[in-house]
Amino acid sequence: AQKITQTQPGMFVQEKEAVTLDCTYDTSDQSYGLFWYKQPSSGEMIFLIYQGSYDEQNATEGRYSLNFQKARKSANLVISASQLGDSAMYFCAMRERGSNYKLTFGKGTLLTVNP
Amino acid sequence: DAGVIQSPRHEVTEMGQEVTLRCKPISGHNSLFWYRQTMMRGLELLIYFNNNVPIDDSGMPEDRFSAKMPNASFSTLKIQPSEPRDSAVYFCASSSRTGRNGESGYTFGSGTRLTVV
Repeated sequence: AQKITQTQPGMFVQEKEAVTLDCTYDTSDQSYGLFWYKQPSSGEMIFLIYQGSYDEQNATEGRYSLNFQKARKSANLVISASQLGDSAMYFCAMRERGSNYKLTFGKGTLLTVNP
Repeated sequence: DAGVIQSPRHEVTEMGQEVTLRCKPISGHNSLFWYRQTMMRGLELLIYFNNNVPIDDSGMPEDRFSAKMPNASFSTLKIQPSEPRDSAVYFCASSSRTGRNGESGYTFGSGTRLTVV
C-alpha cells in the first residue's frame, strides 16, 4: 500500500489565486511527521513546511499552510496568492517513528501558475 | 552554512564503468540519506546512515550498488558496473533529530544527474 498518496498529477492555477494540493497518508504510528517539498525545474528539493502528528494547530510558513486533518489522514498544502515562481513539482512526504525516521515521498503534483 | 554538497553535478559514463557519487552533509547532522529520482519510480530511498552506521539499505537495488560513510562529513554511493537503467538523479540529504519531533527536517543536496550510455 502507498504510504503517501498525491492524487493530482497536475494542477493549474491563475496567478494571485489560492491553490490546494492534496496529500493523504497511511500509518499506524502515533508519532509521525509530514513534510512538503518544492522541486522547481532546476531540480533542487526545497523544504516548505512541516507538521508533527501531535501538533494541534495547522502549520503555516508565509504563503504556505498545511491543512492537517488527522482523522482523515490528510495533509493538504495550501498556497495563497500564487506567483509565477510557484510553478514546480510539489512532494508530500512522511516520516514515521517506527521506520527509523526515514522520509517516504509521494509521486508529486506538478503545479502550473498561469499569468 | 554551505548546505549539503554533492559532486559531481552531472556524470555521463559508459555502460560497465564504475561510478562514484559523493556527498558532504551539513556539519552536525547525524543522519544521511541517499535517494534516487526517476520519472517512473519517483523518489526512492536507497540507503540511510545514522551516526555513520548504515541503518536501512533495503532500497539498494542490487549488489552493483554500495554506499559508505567513513566519517561524519563524507559519504559515497558507488555503482559498479553501471547500466543504462541506472540513469537518474541521485540526491543526498542530511538531517538532525533536534527540535520537536525532529522538525529541523531534511536538507537535500543539489543532486547528481547520472547518465549511463
